[in-house]
Amino acid sequence: NAGVTQTPKFRILKIGQSMTLQCAQDMNHNYMYWYRQDPGMGLKLIYYSVGAGITDKGEVPNGYNVSRSTTEDFPLRLELAAPSQTSVYFCASRDGSNYGYTFGSGTRLTVV
Amino acid sequence: ELKVEQNPLFLSMQEEKNYTIYCNYSTTSDRLYWYRQDPGKSLESLFVLLSNGAVKQEGRLMASLDTKARLSTLHITAAVHDLSATYFCAVDTESGTYKYIFGTGTRLKVLA
Repeated sequence: NAGVTQTPKFRILKIGQSMTLQCAQDMNHNYMYWYRQDPGMGLKLIYYSVGAGITDKGEVPNGYNVSRSTTEDFPLRLELAAPSQTSVYFCASRDGSNYGYTFGSGTRLTVV
Repeated sequence: ELKVEQNPLFLSMQEEKNYTIYCNYSTTSDRLYWYRQDPGKSLESLFVLLSNGAVKQEGRLMASLDTKARLSTLHITAAVHDLSATYFCAVDTESGTYKYIFGTGTRLKVLA
């Protein structure tokens, strides 16, 4: 199984540009999450979804949007990129069992 | 506001020594997770602790959970260089959404 796949792995954006970070999982997990990790810090929840068509804000949603049209995909949209959005973004998924999150490999984003 | 605090933040230790990382959290929860992150990599699941008194061991690492004290510990026995990494605890805050709040991380360096 591929698990959780994130693309791209690296990206440099100019201030004001927009982009979509892709996340796909092939484990039929209902629950999906986007976190950001700033250098030397822990992870902060941006958005999450408990199933297709259902999304909600986490701790730090400003400047981001998500959609969940299918169980497999959970893209994160950055509108009008700002330097404060320079971070590593992790997508994760889980089912309702006790095994916890499966993480993607991350997207390293730099806004200049 | 739910807080998850780890200490120490940085730990430099000699091989073959023992040490403990502490994870304190500020709300009621009986589900706690430990992750390992190598530099530039994603998070790897180490332990899933799902009840008061839970203890899990894998190799030189042992994790425990005391939900009454809102405390989890990650004990390292006879450290080796390969254990050098950053360790995160995460608290599962809501049944039904499985949103995690992550600790700040403990950067462990084992000196040969």
